[in-house]
Amino acid sequence: LAKTTQPISMDSYEGQEVNITCSHNNIATNDYITWYQQFPSQGPRFIIQGYKTKVTNEVASLFIPADRKSSTLSLPRVSLSDTAVYYCLVAPFSGGYNKLIFGAGTRLAVHP
Amino acid sequence: DAGVTQSPTHLIKTRGQHVTLRCSPISGHKSVSWYQQVLGQGPQFIFQYYEKEERGRGNFPDRFSARQFPNYSSELNVNALLLGDSALYLCASSADTGVLQETQYFGPGTRLLVL
Repeated sequence: LAKTTQPISMDSYEGQEVNITCSHNNIATNDYITWYQQFPSQGPRFIIQGYKTKVTNEVASLFIPADRKSSTLSLPRVSLSDTAVYYCLVAPFSGGYNKLIFGAGTRLAVHP
Repeated sequence: DAGVTQSPTHLIKTRGQHVTLRCSPISGHKSVSWYQQVLGQGPQFIFQYYEKEERGRGNFPDRFSARQFPNYSSELNVNALLLGDSALYLCASSADTGVLQETQYFGPGTRLLVL
């Protein structure tokens, strides 16, 4: 199972772009990369998922280099409401949910 | 549309007691998973159920058990509670198309405090 490494915490200011990088050196060929967001006392919420290159949705962008050993979640123009914990997960193509490993995540604090 | 619902929202028990947590998935979702989240850590997988069958189990003792009902709702049972069982228990549902990358939708969780 691929292990992920993320910064423990990050600080930003409203209106800035935030990039959170996740390292997954032993990612397997069929693994996908998924990011979740979690607010205090709530369950995690799916943000974005990708396999390679770049994926963009209405919330964020996900950049994955050719070697796929890392990925970067990009949040454009953050607001105070983006203050949350962000989790990077590497999910195998098949198998049970016991292979979905949540690490400690990155605690993002957005300041006025 | 209603999301994943869990009950109760908060619960206080004492060591040695038993607890039952309940989860109702999103309408149309047939898979339910349970996670334990200790303060300051990410969620840890406990169980997955699909069509009333256990699909996966995490590294938790036999004191933890679960089941899924014909309407796809689920219960998580924990016996002989320990102080270390204090955590936020999350339920997640998915359509389970058979592909792991499908999105899981999490409920708000049940916060359990064991004294």
